[in-house]
Amino acid sequence: ETGVTQTPRHLVMGMTNKKSLKCEQHLGHNAMYWYKQSAKKPLELMFVYNFKEQTENNSVPSRFSPECPNSSHLFLHLHTLQPEDSALYLCASSSDLGSNQPQHFGDGTRLSIL
Amino acid sequence: GIQVEQSPPDLILQEGANSTLRCNFSDSVNNLQWFHQNPWGQLINLFYIPSGTKQNGRLSATTVATERYSLLYISSSQTTDSGVYFCAVLLNTGFQKLVFGTGTRLLVSP
Repeated sequence: ETGVTQTPRHLVMGMTNKKSLKCEQHLGHNAMYWYKQSAKKPLELMFVYNFKEQTENNSVPSRFSPECPNSSHLFLHLHTLQPEDSALYLCASSSDLGSNQPQHFGDGTRLSIL
Repeated sequence: GIQVEQSPPDLILQEGANSTLRCNFSDSVNNLQWFHQNPWGQLINLFYIPSGTKQNGRLSATTVATERYSLLYISSSQTTDSGVYFCAVLLNTGFQKLVFGTGTRLLVSP
């Protein structure tokens, strides 16, 4: 149990569907992150939120839309995705952005686009 | 940008064997984490180690920041150690940014 919970664990969707990934952390952290892990590639940072404010968008296409309503919850809204978006999406949190504290990861959502 | 290279890319061990995984990075970093990703995709923190040596059971890690490398030692390997081991370096570019290596895929056979 890492203290970071992601739902759903698996998601299969068509290219025209709209779905959302959810992440919740119970660690009292203020910074949250979305990462994408494609097959045979390193994890790539997508978005960073600190105290609910987005501080980084790592050139992610607009078909991915993050939302952070509070410091404990992070969503990734998906619409009109492409087959190359099939990947493992991992959420992480850390105490804040300023200190060199470790990031703690959820178990991920494995997304398949038909 | 910073390059993070891991070696070997693949490793097969007999249960009970020891191994050393290496992580080289091309620039100064604030910190470094080692992770184990199990076959189900779960990414587990192993070590948070900016310098020096840490031990946790059969695992230990050493980071020599001045020479820009870190080592992960696995002793008396078990089949549950199978998976992919990632090192990730922490940069402070106005916010914490973890840059991951490409990983070492380990298979421990009984």
